[in-house]
Amino acid sequence: AQKITQTQPGMFVQEKEAVTLDCTYDTSDPSYGLFWYKQPSSGEMIFLIYQGSYDQQNATEGRYSLNFQKARKSANLVISASQLGDSAMYFCAMREMNTGFQKLVFGTGTRLLVSP
Amino acid sequence: DAMVIQNPRYQVTQFGKPVTLSCSQTLNHNVMYWYQQKSSQAPKLLFHYYDKDFNNEADTPDNFQSRRPNTSFCFLDIRSPGLGDAAMYLCATSTSFSGLADTQYFGPGTRLTVL
Repeated sequence: AQKITQTQPGMFVQEKEAVTLDCTYDTSDPSYGLFWYKQPSSGEMIFLIYQGSYDQQNATEGRYSLNFQKARKSANLVISASQLGDSAMYFCAMREMNTGFQKLVFGTGTRLLVSP
Repeated sequence: DAMVIQNPRYQVTQFGKPVTLSCSQTLNHNVMYWYQQKSSQAPKLLFHYYDKDFNNEADTPDNFQSRRPNTSFCFLDIRSPGLGDAAMYLCATSTSFSGLADTQYFGPGTRLTVL
């Protein structure tokens, strides 16, 4: 079964608008961490934001926020005030505590295109 | 700035000709990882080092080997590259893998072409 599901292969947004990228996850482990990475066309994976399963508040980092709904097992990334430089692939990833080595498992990604 | 560096950024090799990709880090992190990412796919973990302890993923082909001579450097050796090994190879580091919040920091990747 897929551990991380990103159902949007591609998303379009206009500059200065907000956009939500969806991510759902599947785990029976009560302790887990969720990550979002951005991958521009240059190839580098850039860490954006982290949410722990026990965190009471949604994570925020500048224009990035994570809409964490634990009961629904979703961890959507919200980008406010989109910029042209936000055009990239976005990957959601999860790490579970119950494995000996806490492997980072990635979703298939969402390609975001920001238009002027 | 502390960072993860990969050389070369682009590598072209011939079918069956051994190739080595290089990764170095100035973050002084204990753990180094190698991922393979094929076009339009998620990164796939090949192996990782915790200090000098090497850990292979079960489905990593024997064709892929790795060396970590010191904390700063890690190499990926592909002994006999096939056409299916053409991909982006990403190196990452983290302080450890015991904490849930331990973030992996990635290098810019090496794009391997096999002719």
